[in-house]
Parts: sequence; C-alpha cells; structure tokens
Amino acid sequence: AQTVTQSQPEMSVQEAETVTLSCTYDTSESDYYLFWYKQPPSRQMILVIRQEAYKQQNATENRFSVNFQKAAKSFSLKISDSQLGDAAMYFCAYSFYNQGGKLIFGQGTELSVKP
Amino acid sequence: KAGVTQTPRYLIKTRGQQVTLSCSPISGHRSVSWYQQTPGQGLQFLFEYFSETQRNKGNFPGRFSGRQFSNSRSEMNVSTLELGDSALYLCASSQRTSGAIMSHEQYFGPGTRLTVT
Repeated sequence: AQTVTQSQPEMSVQEAETVTLSCTYDTSESDYYLFWYKQPPSRQMILVIRQEAYKQQNATENRFSVNFQKAAKSFSLKISDSQLGDAAMYFCAYSFYNQGGKLIFGQGTELSVKP
Repeated sequence: KAGVTQTPRYLIKTRGQQVTLSCSPISGHRSVSWYQQTPGQGLQFLFEYFSETQRNKGNFPGRFSGRQFSNSRSEMNVSTLELGDSALYLCASSQRTSGAIMSHEQYFGPGTRLTVT
C-alpha cells in the first residue's frame, strides 16, 4: 500500500526554538518526490520544501530543512528559530515520477508556537 | 503571477443536487489536480487533468467528474450530492510537459468549502 504516516498529530514549540516533525512512507517505487506542505488557518496550502528521492543531499529552505533517510523511508522536517507564523497544520506528501499530478498525503501534524 | 483561483469559495447545497466547482491555474501551468479534504479522511486525490485529458484518477465514485478547457481552466462536478461530500475541495496546478511533470511542485488554490445539507 502507498501510505504516508505522520505519527505526531500535534506538536508544540517555543518561539525561537527548533522542532522536528516526523514522516514515514511506504512505497515500492524507486523514483519519487517528497514534500512538506503547510496549511495555516486560512486553509491555503503552501509548499514548504521538496526533496527528490535520487538526491542524497538533504534539502534546505531558509529555516526549514529535511532529514531524508531513503532506506528507512523517513522524511522529517526541521524548523529552526520557530516563529509565530509557523503555527499551522503540516502535511508530508509524495508523488511518483510518472504520476506527478497525484500527491499522496499524510494525516498531518498540527504545530503550535508558544510566545 | 497570479496564484491559483477557485470559485466559488463557499457553497451550500442540498442532498441530491449537483454542483460544479471551477479552478483557474497559474498562468503557464497546464496540469490541474483536484483534492478532497475532510476531517475523517484527510486529503485525498480526486483526479488530474492535462491538455484537456484526465491523466490520473483517485478512488472516488463516478459521481465525481471533471474536465479541462483549452485555456487549462478546470471544472469539477459532483452529481447526486450526499452528506458525506461535505468537504474542502482543493485545486492545484503545476507545470508539465507532454509525458512528464517538470517539477512535481503543485501550487494550491484557496479551496471551495462545500456543505451538503
């Protein structure tokens, strides 16, 4: 089965601290892309970061970075220097190389940021 | 560039009716995907359209259909509405060349909140 598991339904972090959100996935495909999306209360889905499965180097976007462990099928998101605006639901997702228009999402992790 | 737009933003329908939702992709994006988001089932892929053709389809009944026009705008139709169709319907667009997705990055619209009573 093609699944994405986010084992932390809710997480909390103090402003300016670092938090890591976990994600594991299950697929027999070898070519795929991994994503983290953010959905704030406005419900607008925003792409945070993406990772190509064939790349060993972990992706980084400003305060956001990932720890991609292909053999373990793990794709965690680290948010450094957390800000109040980071509070949102975070979704892990992947798409296959030959089915790029189809994202398979996890159930999400709701992140709260305490001032 | 303007982002993905969806109309209407909110909709209330009665069980048994049908509904049409519209999505305009980012200029230059030719692929449009639709997702249903509910508290119970989460985010589920409905279908993807590219060059006016359905390229991928999720596990939804035939009551859910869509189409894409030559300007890449897409519509989604749900016939014979059921209470369980109440959801946020998200549309996303991405760049795509024939036969492959360029970047796999999908950009989402604000969604249409459908309530079925």
